Amino acid sequence: SQKIEQNSEALNIQEGKTATLTCNYTNYSPAYLQWYRQDPGRGPVFLLLIRENEKEKRKERLKVTFDTTLKQSLFHITASQPADSATYLCAPTRTGGYNKLIFGAGTRLAVHP
Amino acid sequence: EPEVTQTPSHQVTQMGQEVILRCVPISNHLYFYWYRQILGQKVEFLVSFYNNEISEKSEIFDDQFSVERPDGSNFTLKIRSTKLEDSAMYFCASSPGDKNTEAFFGQGTRLTVV
Repeated sequence: SQKIEQNSEALNIQEGKTATLTCNYTNYSPAYLQWYRQDPGRGPVFLLLIRENEKEKRKERLKVTFDTTLKQSLFHITASQPADSATYLCAPTRTGGYNKLIFGAGTRLAVHP
Repeated sequence: EPEVTQTPSHQVTQMGQEVILRCVPISNHLYFYWYRQILGQKVEFLVSFYNNEISEKSEIFDDQFSVERPDGSNFTLKIRSTKLEDSAMYFCASSPGDKNTEAFFGQGTRLTVV
């Protein structure tokens, strides 16, 4: 069955550094992969979507890569700020599934001043 | 900015009672969803709804659950006879359509079954 793995341990980094979060998946071939941010007690918020034919996508301080050979996506936040502290969820997604999202467990990021 | 709204924000119910969670998706969206998140666990897909019918459901979405879009704006999740293990945060989401696949989530309803 399909499996999605994200760093289970929290990632602690210093303000201003680059945070790198990993999403690995097995047993299926997603057409695209989405990243969401979730704050405690709140709903996920969409950040970025990258398609299988795209290697990299950027949005302001965010960068996502997608390696379909390695079955991995990396999510980078450059010049991190304490306000970036949250849990980040990845969702590799097939087409034809009415766009349902199957999330990884998420990685909690804590950015310290 | 358009947003998905959910009511109530918190619902406490007795085991065995029926609950209805309400959602107003973004108005021009075509796909609607319910997800749940048990405390400390991951966000799990329950059901998707398109063209006025269920398009897909997970194993969690058993006969105790039902969804309805009673009018042009509301989307509801009903749990017929709640169990303690139904205690969770329930999120409604909507998505514009095929080409725009990102989902917009509501703030959730925290359901506590006692």
